[in-house]
Amino acid sequence: ETGVTQSPTHLIKTRGQQVTLRCSSQSGHNTVSWYQQALGQGPQFIFQYYREEENGRGNFPPRFSGLQFPNYSSELNVNALELDDSALYLCASRAQGVGQETQYFGPGTRLLVL
Amino acid sequence: SQQGEEDPQALSIQEGENATMNCSYKTSINNLQWYRQNSGRGLVHLILIRSNEREKHSGRLRVTLDTSKKSSSLLITASRAADTASYFCATDEGSTSYGKLTFGQGTILTVHP
Repeated sequence: ETGVTQSPTHLIKTRGQQVTLRCSSQSGHNTVSWYQQALGQGPQFIFQYYREEENGRGNFPPRFSGLQFPNYSSELNVNALELDDSALYLCASRAQGVGQETQYFGPGTRLLVL
Repeated sequence: SQQGEEDPQALSIQEGENATMNCSYKTSINNLQWYRQNSGRGLVHLILIRSNEREKHSGRLRVTLDTSKKSSSLLITASRAADTASYFCATDEGSTSYGKLTFGQGTILTVHP
């Protein structure tokens, strides 16, 4: 157990809908990253949040957006869902600073878009 | 895009044998990390090696890093059935990309009892 929690565990949506996924960071961690993992692939970086600001973004369109709250929990929002958005969504938290490179992952939210 | 490429894609061994997985990457890095994933669940951090390190050990795990060849290897000694999982290497380029992990496609390890 890493102390990072995610909700919901599973979700089914239809194409065109919007979805919000939630992540609670490990205690003491102020940086959260989100990753998308398609079946049979490695995770791909979506974006990172630090002090409630987006601090790095991968190659994902603007319909992928996020928030970080003062308690360092985070949300991932995806608008206008497409079939290819079906994946496992992972969040990871870490502390900020030198020597704090290790990221601790939550169990993920499995999203199916029909 | 995938930076790390893992080799082999799948590995099947008997309990007690050693398992070696390799990872190659393309750009300069700040550090390289290895993760394990069981049955599509969350990733578990195994070990981190920084660009100025060549070898690290953690229990039955041994990781090497060769920055001149842009490659790393993960050795699991005396494997157990519980080691069955997917293993991923992930690179952190540091600087403006600090904290952004770029993963390979993983090696699926099966350890037979």
